[in-house]
Amino acid sequence: DTGVSQNPRHKITKRGQNVTFRCDPISEHNRLYWYRQTLGQGPEFLTYFQNEAQLEKSRLLSDRFSAERPKGSFSTLEIQRTEQGDSAMYLCASSFGTDLSSTDTQYFGPGTRLTVL
Amino acid sequence: GNSVTQMEGPVTLSEEAFLTINCTYTATGYPSLFWYVQYPGEGLQLLLKATKADDKGSNKGFEATYRKETTSFHLEKGSVQVSDSAVYFCVEAAGNKLTFGGGTRVLVKP
Repeated sequence: DTGVSQNPRHKITKRGQNVTFRCDPISEHNRLYWYRQTLGQGPEFLTYFQNEAQLEKSRLLSDRFSAERPKGSFSTLEIQRTEQGDSAMYLCASSFGTDLSSTDTQYFGPGTRLTVL
Repeated sequence: GNSVTQMEGPVTLSEEAFLTINCTYTATGYPSLFWYVQYPGEGLQLLLKATKADDKGSNKGFEATYRKETTSFHLEKGSVQVSDSAVYFCVEAAGNKLTFGGGTRVLVKP
C-alpha cells in the first residue's frame, strides 16, 4: 500500500498525559498537512510542511501542540498535557507541489482517533 | 476567515434518485474547489475538483460546476446507487490550506 499511513489508529489517554502521533506520507510527496476533525464536523487545518520547513500554523495549534518533520519524510504531532477537548480524529495528508501559490491535490491518511478520558 | 457552507444532512434517497448537495463558499479571488467523500470505515478521498470559474469537475457520475457569480459549487448525480452512501465534504482551497464544510451524510436505500 503506497498511501498515507498513520499510527496509531486509536489512542486512549488520561487527561494531562502527552501523546505523539506519526504520519508517513506518500513517498514522493514533499508537502505534508495535519488536520483535526471532531465528531460531526469537517476537518480543520492545523499545520503544513514543505519538506522539513513548517510553513503555516493555525491558531487552533496552541502551545501544547507541536509538529515536526525533521528529515522531510515522516512527521510527528505531539500534544502535551492533553485535555478532554483534544479528543478528535487527527488526519494527515500529503501532496506534491513546487509552486507556493498553486493548490495541490491532497491525499489523506486514515487518521488517528484520540480519546482523552 | 474563509468558510464553506453546505446543506445539512442526513439526506435519504432511494436508489436511482437524483442527488443535489448545495455548497457555497466565502473566499475572495479564485480559490480551487473540491468535493471529498468519506465512505463508511474509510478515509477521505478526492471525488472531483475545479480550479477556475465555470470549470466542471466530474467523476463517478458526480458533477459540480464552479460558479463564481454565486460563489457556489453544488454537487449533483443523476442516479444514485446504494454504494454512494457516504459523507460528502465541500472544500475550498486558498493555496494549500483547505477549508472544509461540515459534511453532508447521504444514505441511499435500495
